[in-house]
Amino acid sequence: ETGVTQSPTHLIKTRGQQVTLRCSSQSGHNTVSWYQQALGQGPQFIFQYYREEENGRGNFPPRFSGLQFPNYSSELNVNALELDDSALYLCASSLELGTDTQYFGPGTRLTVL
Amino acid sequence: GQNIDQPTEMTATEGAIVQINCTYQTSGFNGLFWYQQHAGEAPTFLSYNVLDGLEEKGRFSSFLSRSKGYSYLLLKELQMKDSASYLCAVRVFMDSNYQLIWGAGTKLIIKP
Repeated sequence: ETGVTQSPTHLIKTRGQQVTLRCSSQSGHNTVSWYQQALGQGPQFIFQYYREEENGRGNFPPRFSGLQFPNYSSELNVNALELDDSALYLCASSLELGTDTQYFGPGTRLTVL
Repeated sequence: GQNIDQPTEMTATEGAIVQINCTYQTSGFNGLFWYQQHAGEAPTFLSYNVLDGLEEKGRFSSFLSRSKGYSYLLLKELQMKDSASYLCAVRVFMDSNYQLIWGAGTKLIIKP
């Protein structure tokens, strides 16, 4: 148990829809990162938030957006879903920027039909 | 660009030792991580190296050579529960922030 939770566990959407995924970090962890993991691949960095501000972004289009809240929860929003968005979405929290360890939540499995 | 290479799949026998290699070509190197991921689950932290040398933690050890862009994860006394994917990730400082660049993972199959 890492103390990081995500909801929902599984989600099915259709192409063109919008989705919001949620993450609750460990208390006191000021940094949250979101990753997309396709089957058989390593996680791909989407973006990172530190103290409620975006602090880095991977190679993902603007339709991927996020928010981080003062209560250590965060959201990943994806607009105009495409079939290729089907993946496991992971959030990971850490104490501060650049600290040793990221603690992952169990992930949300998103299927886009 | 940033690149991390790991073997796709390895097979080993219960009770034996296995070494999983990782090579990387990155800029702004700031540490290397190994994570274990069982099928359908989230990655869990195994080890972290930022200086050259060997870090030992129970049955698992991790080695880093920054000059060679090389790391390995050594698993001893293999158990069936060690069957999982092992992910190598490099932390880089890029565009004024830290990011983790991940390899595709090595699927380790343990046979009795």
